[in-house]
Amino acid sequence: AQKITQTQPGMFVQEKEAVTLDCTYDTSDPSYGLFWYKQPSSGEMIFLIYQGSYDQQNATEGRYSLNFQKARKSANLVISASQLGDSAMYFCAMRERGTSYGKLTFGQGTILTVHP
Amino acid sequence: GAGVSQSPSNKVTEKGKDVELRCDPISGHTALYWYRQSLGQGLEFLIYFQGNSAPDKSGLPSDRFSAERTGGSVSTLTIQRTQQEDSAVYLCASSSTPVGELFFGEGSRLTVL
Repeated sequence: AQKITQTQPGMFVQEKEAVTLDCTYDTSDPSYGLFWYKQPSSGEMIFLIYQGSYDQQNATEGRYSLNFQKARKSANLVISASQLGDSAMYFCAMRERGTSYGKLTFGQGTILTVHP
Repeated sequence: GAGVSQSPSNKVTEKGKDVELRCDPISGHTALYWYRQSLGQGLEFLIYFQGNSAPDKSGLPSDRFSAERTGGSVSTLTIQRTQQEDSAVYLCASSSTPVGELFFGEGSRLTVL
């Protein structure tokens, strides 16, 4: 079974509007971390936001917020006031604590295109 | 440097040759990871090292792939008898915590002709 599922291969949004990128995950480990990374065409992996499984509040970082619904195993990324520079591939990922440091398992990604 | 450093940034080789890719993690980070990303695809886990523990090699695609980490710091990923399907960007990352952020290098782009 897929541990991280991103069902939207591509998304389009108008500049200055908000957009939600979907992510669901599967784990039985009570301790885990959820991440969103941005990968522009240059190829670098840019960390955006992190949510720990025990965090009570949804994570926010500037224009990025993570809509964490633990019971649904959902960790959607919300980008407010989209900018042209937000056009990129976005990856949802998870680390499970397990017995040691967890590897990061990635979803297949969503390509976001911001239109002027 | 402050970030994860990878070399070479680009490598073009002929089918059948061996290649070595190097990763220098952030100082003090005990966990080091190798991922592979084929064009337009997601990131595929290859191997990870954590302190003095045995590495998790569960993602290595074949026995042509191997990696070592010397002195708990620098790591080398070796691909023997390269094939065209090995062409990809190889990303290295490091971390200082069990479930926190991974810091990525800029990757080594491998092209096998």
